Amino acid sequence: DAGVIQSPRHEVTEMGQEVTLRCKPISGHNSLFWYRQTMMRGLELLIYFNNNVPIDDSGMPEDRFSAKMPNASFSTLKIQPSEPRDSAVYFCASHFGTVNTGELFFGEGSRLTVL
Amino acid sequence: SQQGEEDPQALSIQEGENATMNCSYKTSINNLQWYRQNSGRGLVHLILIRSNEREKHSGRLRVTLDTSKKSSSLLITASRAADTASYFCATDARNYGQNFVFGPGTRLSVLP
Repeated sequence: DAGVIQSPRHEVTEMGQEVTLRCKPISGHNSLFWYRQTMMRGLELLIYFNNNVPIDDSGMPEDRFSAKMPNASFSTLKIQPSEPRDSAVYFCASHFGTVNTGELFFGEGSRLTVL
Repeated sequence: SQQGEEDPQALSIQEGENATMNCSYKTSINNLQWYRQNSGRGLVHLILIRSNEREKHSGRLRVTLDTSKKSSSLLITASRAADTASYFCATDARNYGQNFVFGPGTRLSVLP
C-alpha cells in the first residue's frame, strides 16, 4: 500500500481564495483524522471520521472550515474564504481498529501558505 | 484538556548517549503512543503502551507508563544522528472516544 496520500503537498494562495486539501486513506482503514500543525499551537485535531461519518468536529476553528468524506477512500478539507492565519501544515491520518488498538498512519502533509 | 505535555521542549545530546523524554497527561486513557516526526515529514508511529502495561521495549526504545502519575517516558538508548527529530506522545481520551490528542513535542538533536 502507498500509505496515506495527501494533495497538494504545497499550496500558496491569496487571502479570500478557496482552498481544498485532499486525502486518500489507507485501504481498509475505518477512521480518518485531519490535523493542523503550527509552531504556535502544535498539532491540533480538527475533525475525525469513523466509517465515513464525522464523529467529532469540535476542533474545526470556524465555519470557514468544512470537511467531507463521501466514501471510504477519499476526504477533503475545505477552507473558504482562506485567511493568512490559516497558514499551517495540514495532516491527514488514517487508523484501523478500535480505541484500544492500532496506530495512526500519517500522510506527508499539505503545507498551506495564505498571503 | 486531555492534551499530553512533553518535556523537555528541546534536547541536545551527543551520539551514543541516551535520550529521555517525558509526557504528562490529564485524564484517564486507554493507551498512550509515541510518534516521531522528521523535519518536513509526517508523523511515524513508534510504540503503543496500554493503560495496563508499565513498560515496553522496541529495539533501542523503552517506554514506561505510570498511570497513577499520569506520565510516560520514552528512552532512546545509544542515540544516533538519524534519531534527530521531534517526538510526540499521543493519548486517547477514554471518555471521549477515539480522538488522539498530541502534545507539543520534544525536539531532539543528536550531534555526531
